[in-house]
Amino acid sequence: DAGVIQSPRHEVTEMGQEVTLRCKPISGHDYLFWYRQTMMRGLELLIYFNNNVPIDDSGMPEDRFSAKMPNASFSTLKIQPSEPRDSAVYFCASSSTRVWNTIYFGEGSWLTVV
Amino acid sequence: ELKVEQNPLFLSMQEGKNYTIYCNYSTTSDRLYWYRQDPGKSLESLFVLLSNGAVKQEGRLMASLDTKARLSTLHITAAVHDLSATYFCAAGETSGSRLTFGEGTQLTVNP
Repeated sequence: DAGVIQSPRHEVTEMGQEVTLRCKPISGHDYLFWYRQTMMRGLELLIYFNNNVPIDDSGMPEDRFSAKMPNASFSTLKIQPSEPRDSAVYFCASSSTRVWNTIYFGEGSWLTVV
Repeated sequence: ELKVEQNPLFLSMQEGKNYTIYCNYSTTSDRLYWYRQDPGKSLESLFVLLSNGAVKQEGRLMASLDTKARLSTLHITAAVHDLSATYFCAAGETSGSRLTFGEGTQLTVNP
């Protein structure tokens, strides 16, 4: 079975540019999470969706960040404009309420803003 | 707000030795997760603990949960080099689906 699929895996962009990260959750999963990992702050939940609806976006750092989930198989996290402090690994994860056993993480998108 | 603390944050141990990583959380939680992360890689699920007294074991790793003490432990038995990684615990908030992660324990197993 395919796991959580993220793209791009690596992105280097200049400050001020727009960055779009993409995620395809595991089929049948009804929860989707976006996490950010940095050395300084560890793993932080940015936003999560249930049945494509954003439930909690309190972790989104500021208005430059936005996330959408137009359907059950696709989500985006957008940063506009990007800043060097946004450099981090962004993980997408998904899970199913039918089976609370595991939250599956994607391979991550490594973002560097120069 | 749920807070999760792990200790130690860094652990260097010899092969063959036993050790325990501790995970404390600040408020009521109905589930506790342990993950492993290798450098430059994603998070791999190890255990999910859903009830007080739950104990799960996989190979040289054993996890337990004491909800009254708000404490989970990850015990390593007879460590081997392949266990070198960063281990995270995460607690789930009872009022929703948020997972709050600890800072991670960087484990190095030396020959």
